[in-house]
Parts: sequence; C-alpha cells; structure tokens
Amino acid sequence: NAGVMQNPRHLVRRRGQEARLRCSPMKGHSHVYWYRQLPEEGLKFMVYLQKENIIDESGMPKERFSAEFPKEGPSILRIQQVVRGDSAAYFCASSPASGSNEQFFGPGTRLTVL
Amino acid sequence: GENVEQHPSTLSVQEGDSAVIKCTYSDSASNYFPWYKQELGKRPQLIIDIRSNVGEKKDQRIAVTLNKTAKHFSLHITETQPEDSAVYFCAAPLGRDDKIIFGKGTRLHILP
Repeated sequence: NAGVMQNPRHLVRRRGQEARLRCSPMKGHSHVYWYRQLPEEGLKFMVYLQKENIIDESGMPKERFSAEFPKEGPSILRIQQVVRGDSAAYFCASSPASGSNEQFFGPGTRLTVL
Repeated sequence: GENVEQHPSTLSVQEGDSAVIKCTYSDSASNYFPWYKQELGKRPQLIIDIRSNVGEKKDQRIAVTLNKTAKHFSLHITETQPEDSAVYFCAAPLGRDDKIIFGKGTRLHILP
C-alpha cells in the first residue's frame, strides 16, 4: 500500500507564473488536507477536502489559491500568479475519515519563486 | 476562535533527562490528540496519539497525558537520546468540520 504521494518534490517558478501541486492520498483515504510550512515555522492549515467537495478552505488566501479533489485523480493545489512570498513547503495529508483519525503526510513539495 | 497553543517553542535538555511539551486547545468537543515529529527536511510523522476516553497513553519512552477539563495535553519523552532532536507538533480536530489544526511546534535540542 503506497503512502501519500506528492509531486513534484521541488518546483521552481518565476513571479507571475502558475504552480500546480499534486497529491495522491493513500488507497482508501477519502479526506485530504493541505498545509503550508515556511522555513523554521509550523504547519499552517490551508484547506480540507473530500472527493468532489471542499469541506473547509478557511486557511487558504481568497485570491490566487484554489484546491480541488476530483472523483478521479489526485488532489490539486493551484497557485496563480505566484509571488516570492508563496515560497514554502506544501504538505498534503490524507486520512480515511473525518478529523478524528490519524493523518498520513506526503513528502511535501518545495516551491521556490524566483 | 479555533486554536491550538503549544509551549515552549524551543527546549534544550541534557541527554538522558526528560522533556515535556504542552498544548492547549479551544474546542471542548475535540476528541483526538496526535503528536508528530518532524526531522529537518522531512515530513511530519505520527509518534503517539490519544483519544478523549483515556487520560494517559505510553509507548516505550514516549507518553501523552490528557486533561479534558482543562483542555490541555502533554508529550513526555524520558531518557532522551540524540535522535530525539527534532521539531514536535501537537494537533487537535477543531470546529464543526473537525479539521486538524497544528500547534506552532517545539524545537527540541538534546545536549550531549
């Protein structure tokens, strides 16, 4: 049973470009979380999704950021018109059910905006 | 608001001594409390968790205690070793949707 997969592991973008981060949850997991981690800082909640449904996006900036978890395929975190401040590690985690269950983290995508 | 507070932000202990990290949470309905360890450049990994129907759980040198009345829980590491040096995060499900919110982390240094 493969763990949570994220790709790419490293992504470099120039200011104004788009970044697409992908997360494939563990088999059988229907819940996905995205977190952002700046260097030397904690895990900041961004968005919580179920298949075809956004449960809570209160941690995500209202502009430029969007997330989806389609019926088929990975969850996607999309950042449009990236700025230097978007440089961070983005982790996704999956769980089999709602919040009161262990989350399994992916290896993260390290986004660098030049 | 929905919040998980974690203290201290950094902690240095002599090898062999004990380390204690504390967290408080805001939602009295929270019923699951995990602790994660994150080594430099790696993903967070679960090291121990506790549910609200018990007050303490132990796994070798690691233990977690929970006080539901006071809404706080603590991580205890005994006989610390160099490989315990890492950042530790507590978390709790908060709010109507049970989203998992993390504390800001504790950087633990084990001194030789």
